[in-house]
Amino acid sequence: SQTIHQWPATLVQPVGSPLSLECTVEGTSNPNLYWYRQAAGRGLQLLFYSVGIGQISSEVPQNLSASRPQDRQFILSSKKLLLSDSGFYLCAWSLKPGLNEKLFFGSGTQLSVL
Amino acid sequence: TQLLEQSPQFLSIQEGENLTVYCNSSSVFSSLQWYRQEPGEGPVLLVTVVTGGEVKKLKRLTFQFGDARKDSSLHITAAQPGDTGLYLCAGAENSGGSNYKLTFGKGTLLTVNP
Repeated sequence: SQTIHQWPATLVQPVGSPLSLECTVEGTSNPNLYWYRQAAGRGLQLLFYSVGIGQISSEVPQNLSASRPQDRQFILSSKKLLLSDSGFYLCAWSLKPGLNEKLFFGSGTQLSVL
Repeated sequence: TQLLEQSPQFLSIQEGENLTVYCNSSSVFSSLQWYRQEPGEGPVLLVTVVTGGEVKKLKRLTFQFGDARKDSSLHITAAQPGDTGLYLCAGAENSGGSNYKLTFGKGTLLTVNP
């Protein structure tokens, strides 16, 4: 069966510090991978998605970046965090795009930038 | 990008009551998904509806897709405390070729009191 791992679960970082959140998927090959941000327990905002190694699409311009160094690994990074980067970050995977594409989410990282 | 409006934003009811939450858009979606999210966790897919007018039942939950595929509703019968959570709808729109993109609503936060 497929599983998705996301860490850390909680992170407190000072403004201006770097960020690295990691997500790995097991039990499937060549998945689509996604990073979402959720503010205050509300709707999900798509940040990045990837259809393959080294292929990253950015949905929202900001000081975050994403990388996919391996097929089942997706990393969210920042060189200098802003207060506005605080939020709940969710990694997700899906099979190749289709009409009934389903997202499977990780358990999230609660990031607080102080 | 198509927008999804969910209502109500917040709903607090007593155990045993029935409730309906709504997901509306002015645009047509290829399919629509409902997720439930518990605090500190990622959303979990409940159902996908594809055909206009489609009704799906999942135990005490009934999902309906509008005839014009612009709106959807989720009805819960005899709500239980375990139903507490954030209910998110997500609409799939074609983003080119066979690719589809999910757009999430902001969710309905349901609290079922014992």
